[in-house]
Amino acid sequence: DAGITQSPRHKVTETGTPVTLRCHQTENHRYMYWYRQDPGHGLRLIHYSYGVKDTDKGEVSDGYSVSRSKTEDFLLTLESATSSQTSVYFCAISAAGTGADTQYFGPGTRLTVL
Amino acid sequence: GQNIDQPTEMTATEGAIVQINCTYQTSGFNGLFWYQQHAGEAPTFLSYNVLDGLEEKGRFSSFLSRSKGYSYLLLKELQMKDSASYLCAVITGGGNKLTFGTGTQLKVEL
Repeated sequence: DAGITQSPRHKVTETGTPVTLRCHQTENHRYMYWYRQDPGHGLRLIHYSYGVKDTDKGEVSDGYSVSRSKTEDFLLTLESATSSQTSVYFCAISAAGTGADTQYFGPGTRLTVL
Repeated sequence: GQNIDQPTEMTATEGAIVQINCTYQTSGFNGLFWYQQHAGEAPTFLSYNVLDGLEEKGRFSSFLSRSKGYSYLLLKELQMKDSASYLCAVITGGGNKLTFGTGTQLKVEL
């Protein structure tokens, strides 16, 4: 199994509060991704990183920011959480950005915004 | 835009064969992945296709036709543990970005 951990695994928060989710990898992979998974929508890319301090937006980036200050950690921040951000968040990693490079997923974080 | 279609649900019998279809219309194509996801767990990699044809891996096979925008995942000798959601995903751009279908929930019955 790829060495990916996510923290916290579960979180309940209130609307308007800031939330930070952490993804940590021990594989020294260059690429890291944040997805959200919602019923009826499947997995959707929020942001991704192609190196330290190098990030780009995905399909559903509004309301989210990311940071990557070191190879092993990729943080996802909800500056002011809303109920529409209640979801399961998955981090993924891949060694390179080529098409044949498989993405491996972390265990997920279940976030509930009340 | 990106559009990936899969059936929402399928039911099959233990020991049988089931084919899960995926059709896609995307702006760019650099390969197609199939993932398996059990309830409450992370997606796990099953297969990757970039050229037309069939890729076989044990009980699982995946087929791709780029000209038709079509793929299928074939599961043989079904087992109860194969009950899961199967996700089709297309690489649509640089950075290995994946666009996922909504998944097919497979239920294997006795």
